[in-house]
Amino acid sequence: DIQMTQSPSSVSASVGDRVTITCRASQGISSWLAWYQQKPGKAPKLLIYAASSLQSGVPSRFSGSGSGTDFTLTISSLQPEDFATYYCQQANSFTWTFGQGTKVEIK
Amino acid sequence: QVQLVESGGGVVQPGGSLRLSCAASGFTFSSYGMHWVRQAPGKGLEWVAFIRYDGSNKYYADSVKGRFTISRDNSKNTLYLQMNSLRAEDTAVYYCAKDNGAGSLDYWGQGTLVTVSS
Repeated sequence: DIQMTQSPSSVSASVGDRVTITCRASQGISSWLAWYQQKPGKAPKLLIYAASSLQSGVPSRFSGSGSGTDFTLTISSLQPEDFATYYCQQANSFTWTFGQGTKVEIK
Repeated sequence: QVQLVESGGGVVQPGGSLRLSCAASGFTFSSYGMHWVRQAPGKGLEWVAFIRYDGSNKYYADSVKGRFTISRDNSKNTLYLQMNSLRAEDTAVYYCAKDNGAGSLDYWGQGTLVTVSS
């Protein structure tokens, strides 16, 4: 099974900061990588699919990059509504795996 | 607009069974694969199962293989998850989600809570 490892597990940041979250796959997954945002008590929301494609309606301050085994989610200028937990997810060979999550907290 | 509404959650004893349903609207249900994903209290997301648009292929996480069955009724725009031999570690909020055709889950329901406890 493909394992997904996110880092860091949590990050403290201020409004306006640039935040970068990384996700590493235990084997190559091409660009079969998505990023989600989840707020407490709510369902996850798709932000990025196919590693770097922005989901419709998602602000352009969110961006994704990478291919193979190493991927990055970047929030260019953190906004108050961005404090949440972020998950990466791979979809290779008809198995789906989520990373353990990264909590973005207010500094 | 796309809507996914789960139902069927509740409290069940260990070893028991439960069937979850997910009513879909706002898109052509019969054209998309569908997933179940769960989240134990205070924990991260765990993918559970996927079914192709026509029900021809089904895939499961190792943790539920042989105990859970995903199915769909395209005439009723409804997705199901039959859960048997339930264990305490199956306690979670269960979400249904639509696949966008690129392996990502673009729409999610609000979730239904399953509690396995004696």
